[in-house]
Amino acid sequence: TQLLEQSPQFLSIQEGENLTVYCNSSSVFSSLQWYRQEPGEGPVLLVTVVTGGEVKKLKRLTFQFGDARKDSSLHITAAQPGDTGLYLCAGALRGGYQKVTFGTGTKLQVIP
Amino acid sequence: GAGVSQSPSNKVTEKGKDVELRCDPISGHTALYWYRQSLGQGLEFLIYFQGNSAPDKSGLPSDRFSAERTGGSVSTLTIQRTQQEDSAVYLCASNKQGSGYTFGSGTRLTVV
Repeated sequence: TQLLEQSPQFLSIQEGENLTVYCNSSSVFSSLQWYRQEPGEGPVLLVTVVTGGEVKKLKRLTFQFGDARKDSSLHITAAQPGDTGLYLCAGALRGGYQKVTFGTGTKLQVIP
Repeated sequence: GAGVSQSPSNKVTEKGKDVELRCDPISGHTALYWYRQSLGQGLEFLIYFQGNSAPDKSGLPSDRFSAERTGGSVSTLTIQRTQQEDSAVYLCASNKQGSGYTFGSGTRLTVV
């Protein structure tokens, strides 16, 4: 059973376009993290959101945690080729310790 | 060290052989995790160590998999009698309480 479903699975867009990646679950999370992974490397943490409704911005990336803490979105404005990679959300269950469950992943390709 | 170090970076082994994968976490990080990733997809949890507590082994797929963490630092993941379905990238991560994970670059295991 996959706790965290991401959509879309694959996304290929032109440089300069905007995009949104979704991370959805039926479970409530105490916090949610977003990572980006490039080929041959481990995932790198982008952001952690902990409060329902929270919005965090990291340059052209905007992260939102759903009010009910069951879902999250990542919006990229004016995508660049350097944004290419695998985007992973990861949630820590309420009441659990630090172990997080990773989503299914969204593979993004930004074409110059 | 400055980051999480994993070795070897690549391992090719024959079906039925045993393999050992090593992870050297960031100094001072009390928690250490092993995940498995197949074909650039999401991460599958394997095992989690937190300080001196008993490890959470709930993600180990079979009794051929085992892991230990010596002295609260270096960890070794052992796969006995490897099978072709064990082929994957094995990722190690560490963190401090309440912070996101720092991943190593992984060990790509190929069972032929």
